[in-house]
Amino acid sequence: DAGVIQSPRHEVTEMGQEVTLRCKPISGHNSLFWYRQTMMRGLELLIYFNNNVPIDDSGMPEDRFSAKMPNASFSTLKIQPSEPRDSAVYFCASRPVGYSNQPQHFGDGTRLSIL
Amino acid sequence: DQQVKQNSPSLSVQEGRISILNCDYTNSMFDYFLWYKKYPAEGPTFLISISSIKDKNEDGRFTVFLNKSAKHLSLHIVPSQPGDSAVYFCAASYNNNDMRFGAGTRLTVKP
Repeated sequence: DAGVIQSPRHEVTEMGQEVTLRCKPISGHNSLFWYRQTMMRGLELLIYFNNNVPIDDSGMPEDRFSAKMPNASFSTLKIQPSEPRDSAVYFCASRPVGYSNQPQHFGDGTRLSIL
Repeated sequence: DQQVKQNSPSLSVQEGRISILNCDYTNSMFDYFLWYKKYPAEGPTFLISISSIKDKNEDGRFTVFLNKSAKHLSLHIVPSQPGDSAVYFCAASYNNNDMRFGAGTRLTVKP
């Protein structure tokens, strides 16, 4: 079975540029999560979707961050404009919605460096 | 607000000994607790979980203990192996909603 697929694996760009991170959840999983991992704060939940609908975006740090899920098999996290403090590893995870107590399955992350 | 806390950033144990990783939480509504393991350059992978109706769950060398009155859970690995060296994240959720993670504990098992 294909797991959660994230792209790109690494992204290096200059401050001010737009960055788009992509995620393909596991087929049949209709709950999708975006996390950011930093040394200081560990794994922070940014936003999650159930059935393509954003449920909780309270973790999105600023208006510069936006996320979309146009269909059940694709989601994007966009940062515009990017800043050096956005440098982190961004993870996407998915889980079947409607099932109680199911673990999330994570992609391998996108390591983002903003110069 | 850190609802899930792992106060030990690192732990080092000798191969064959027990590893005990600890986690505290503040939200009494949490009803599902998990441990994830993460290797470098990979995403976290699910290791073991426990529901709030239990106080212990065992899977091979891994056992998770839950103390609801103390809002504390722990992961025991016995015996520890060098391949267990990784970062371990504790996580909690309630009512099948989003999950809150601790900051992680880096376990090093020395041969």
